[in-house]
Amino acid sequence: SQQGEEDPQALSIQEGENATMNCSYKTSINNLQWYRQNSGRGLVHLILIRSNEREKHSGRLRVTLDTSKKSSSLLITASRAADTASYFCATDQHNQGGKLIFGQGTELSVKP
Amino acid sequence: EAGVAQSPRYKIIEKRQSVAFWCNPISGHATLYWYQQILGQGPKLLIQFQNNGVVDDSQLPKDRFSAERLKGVDSTLKIQPAKLEDSAVYLCASSLTGTATGELFFGEGSRLTVL
Repeated sequence: SQQGEEDPQALSIQEGENATMNCSYKTSINNLQWYRQNSGRGLVHLILIRSNEREKHSGRLRVTLDTSKKSSSLLITASRAADTASYFCATDQHNQGGKLIFGQGTELSVKP
Repeated sequence: EAGVAQSPRYKIIEKRQSVAFWCNPISGHATLYWYQQILGQGPKLLIQFQNNGVVDDSQLPKDRFSAERLKGVDSTLKIQPAKLEDSAVYLCASSLTGTATGELFFGEGSRLTVL
């Protein structure tokens, strides 16, 4: 069963704007990861945030985690056309042997 | 460092035929995963190997799907016989650590079309 649910399912913005994607999950986790997938390609790891962390930055990416609400958000600042892709959150659940469960993804379109 | 290699990239078969996909993970990565990604959806875990042992295959349709990881390196995923609903991209991923405390490295995927 899918663990993470992303919101929105699709997002269209202009270059230079910020993009925010949200992820909700249902059970306790060890960590939460975000991946990007360009059309027709494999997934690429963006960032990992552990359950005892609240915020993490990597370049133009900012991830927050609220374990009390079982939710996470991914913020991409100053978006570029090259950021156009699908973004997935994935959760590493407690006592599940290290398997990652992916959500349905948010399709981001950045228009030049 | 070479990435995760998968082949073939594309495969078209008739229903009830068989197909096999191959994956070569990053050297030294103990854990190997096969995911199924149907168009417009997120990847769904089919099977997870730790070295050459199966950690989780709870969502693998065992009546038609099989997978093996001989010698704890390469892996093969087989579908026999294929159904229309098996049309999807089959993604292989590997990770260095035994648990998902680190990132997964994905291959480009094998796109299967069942007619």
